[in-house]
Amino acid sequence: KAGVTQTPRYLIKTRGQQVTLSCSPISGHRSVSWYQQTPGQGLQFLFEYFSETQRNKGNFPGRFSGRQFSNSRSEMNVSTLELGDSALYLCASSVTGPGTDTQYFGPGTRLTVL
Amino acid sequence: GQNIDQPTEMTATEGAIVQINCTYQTSGFNGLFWYQQHAGEAPTFLSYNVLDGLEEKGRFSSFLSRSKGYSYLLLKELQMKDSASYLCAVRDNPGGYNKLIFGAGTRLAVHP
Repeated sequence: KAGVTQTPRYLIKTRGQQVTLSCSPISGHRSVSWYQQTPGQGLQFLFEYFSETQRNKGNFPGRFSGRQFSNSRSEMNVSTLELGDSALYLCASSVTGPGTDTQYFGPGTRLTVL
Repeated sequence: GQNIDQPTEMTATEGAIVQINCTYQTSGFNGLFWYQQHAGEAPTFLSYNVLDGLEEKGRFSSFLSRSKGYSYLLLKELQMKDSASYLCAVRDNPGGYNKLIFGAGTRLAVHP
C-alpha cells in the first residue's frame, strides 16, 4: 500500500506570494491533518479534515486555509506569505482521525520564504 | 492552556539505556503518543499510552502517569540508528474531535 505523498517536496517563494501544498493520504484513510514544523516550535497543528469537513483547527491566522476533496486528497493554502512561514509542512492521514488510530505522516513540503 | 515539555537534547552511548521524559498540561487528555523522527524524514509512530503504567514493545517502552501529567520513553540496548528526534504528543478532543498536540521534541544522539 502506498504511503502518504506530498507535493511539491521543496518550494521557494517570496514575501507576499501565496502557495498551495498538496497531500494524498493512504488509500482508505479519510482523515488528513496538517502540521507546521519549525526547529524552535516543533510540530504545530494546523487543521484536520474528515470527509471534506474541517473538524479541528489550530491557532494559526486566517492566511492558512485548507480543503479536502471527495477522494480524501487535501490541499492547504497560505496567502500573503511572511518570512516566518518558512517551515516544513507535514500532513498525516489516518482511517478515522488523529489519535483515534495511528497517524501516518508524509515526507513533508519544505517551504522557504525569501 | 496547553503545554508539553521535553528536554531539547540528550546524548547516550551505544548499548546503554536512555529515558526521555515528557510532562504535559492540557485542558483535556485522551492518550499520549511517542513518535520517532530521523533527520529529514517523516515522524513514525512508536507507542501509545492511555492508561497508567508501562507499555513495552521490544527495545522501546513507554510509561504514563496521568495524575502527574508525566510520561517517559525508555530505549534499551541503544543502537546508532536510534539517533533521532523523539516527539511526545497528547491527544485532546476539543469539540468532540481528536487532535494531537506535540512537544518540541528531544534530539537524541547515540555515540559509539
